[in-house]
Amino acid sequence: GEDVEQSLFLSVREGDSSVINCTYTDSSSTYLYWYKQEPGAGLQLLTYIFSNMDMKQDQRLTVLLNKKDKHLSLRIADTQTGDSAIYFCARGFNNNDMRFGAGTRLTVKP
Amino acid sequence: SQTIHQWPATLVQPVGSPLSLECTVEGTSNPNLYWYRQAAGRGLQLLFYSVGIGQISSEVPQNLSASRPQDRQFILSSKKLLLSDSGFYLCAWNSGRGYEQYFGPGTRLTVT
Repeated sequence: GEDVEQSLFLSVREGDSSVINCTYTDSSSTYLYWYKQEPGAGLQLLTYIFSNMDMKQDQRLTVLLNKKDKHLSLRIADTQTGDSAIYFCARGFNNNDMRFGAGTRLTVKP
Repeated sequence: SQTIHQWPATLVQPVGSPLSLECTVEGTSNPNLYWYRQAAGRGLQLLFYSVGIGQISSEVPQNLSASRPQDRQFILSSKKLLLSDSGFYLCAWNSGRGYEQYFGPGTRLTVT
């Protein structure tokens, strides 16, 4: 199977919380990342978490890491229409080996 | 601050024609550089990476090639494009001192 897996679509209402999930297979990963891609644009690094952490919070973003289950999630609080984008989970353990999921398309409805 | 540029932004080329996409990075020296391809509805596929001038590693065998003629310039080329080369091509850089990669705005290539 794929090294990093994500569900392809998520739809939420404005003001709700969004939770985007990701699973990975390589337990030796040292960093896990979340990137955001708006239509027709490149990827923007949102946040990352080191593999010895369980949680990282940055304003509206909360990253949770369950190392036992190899599960990573990104929670966006108070989701806004501007949060509509594709969100990529990625894992890496050195500079030249970063693997991306297929991306989750988040749609925020007013 | 560092910036990364790609051009052209969009390109429509016939099958069998050559290709040259350019990526440049400003505000840093000796970056690691990467070319990715993003097919519609799919994740990113790493095509090439470079840790220095003239040093290119290929991840996927195909009719594309990459070159790094200068420290902050990375070029993706093909002698003859295939229909399957259509996609969104992203260049990224990394400082070599951290793990995160920073992406350019991308080039949308359509092979007709």
